[in-house]
Amino acid sequence: QQQVKQSPQSLIVQKGGISIINCAYENTAFDYFPWYQQFPGKGPALLIAIRPDVSEKKEGRFTISFNKSAKQFSLHIMDSQPGDSATYFCAATAGANNLFFGTGTRLTVIP
Amino acid sequence: NAGVTQTPKFRILKIGQSMTLQCAQDMNHNYMYWYRQDPGMGLKLIYYSVGAGITDKGEVPNGYNVSRSTTEDFPLRLELAAPSQTSVYFCASRTGLAETQYFGPGTRLLVL
Repeated sequence: QQQVKQSPQSLIVQKGGISIINCAYENTAFDYFPWYQQFPGKGPALLIAIRPDVSEKKEGRFTISFNKSAKQFSLHIMDSQPGDSATYFCAATAGANNLFFGTGTRLTVIP
Repeated sequence: NAGVTQTPKFRILKIGQSMTLQCAQDMNHNYMYWYRQDPGMGLKLIYYSVGAGITDKGEVPNGYNVSRSTTEDFPLRLELAAPSQTSVYFCASRTGLAETQYFGPGTRLLVL
């Protein structure tokens, strides 16, 4: 059973466009929602994270929107660049030890 | 700091063979984790450790064993390799003060 559902599986965006990746969860005990970025042949690296007491968090071109009542959260990448081409994973955890990952979104930004 | 290191980078095993995947971190992190990553499935937690001498199962522990004799090292043991264990394995660590996990570069394992 997938604890965190992620969509789309793949995404192609023009340079300068907005990339949007969505995730949904059921477990209301989750209290930390990170996004990881993974380049081919590398391990995932933390991109940005949010807690359920805020509805939005922005770091540079990356924004997480969080809807607690709908149990959904999303990653927005503004002004997408070819260097953003990677696989993005959302995740969730209650208590930080068992991190449940989504299935990943492969983002391709076309120059 | 080297961060989280993993060896080997790639290995081919025959069915029934055993091997140990090595993981080490030099950040003095108490918490360490092993994940496997399969195409289209995201990462699944195999085992984790909250400190030397303490380990616990994650989502998919069957077929694996771990030990944690030191803070720095967290090896993952496969006793009887099966084709279902073909995957990319990632080790991660974190402090006890923050949730951020730092991942190693991974070990690609092929069981034939």
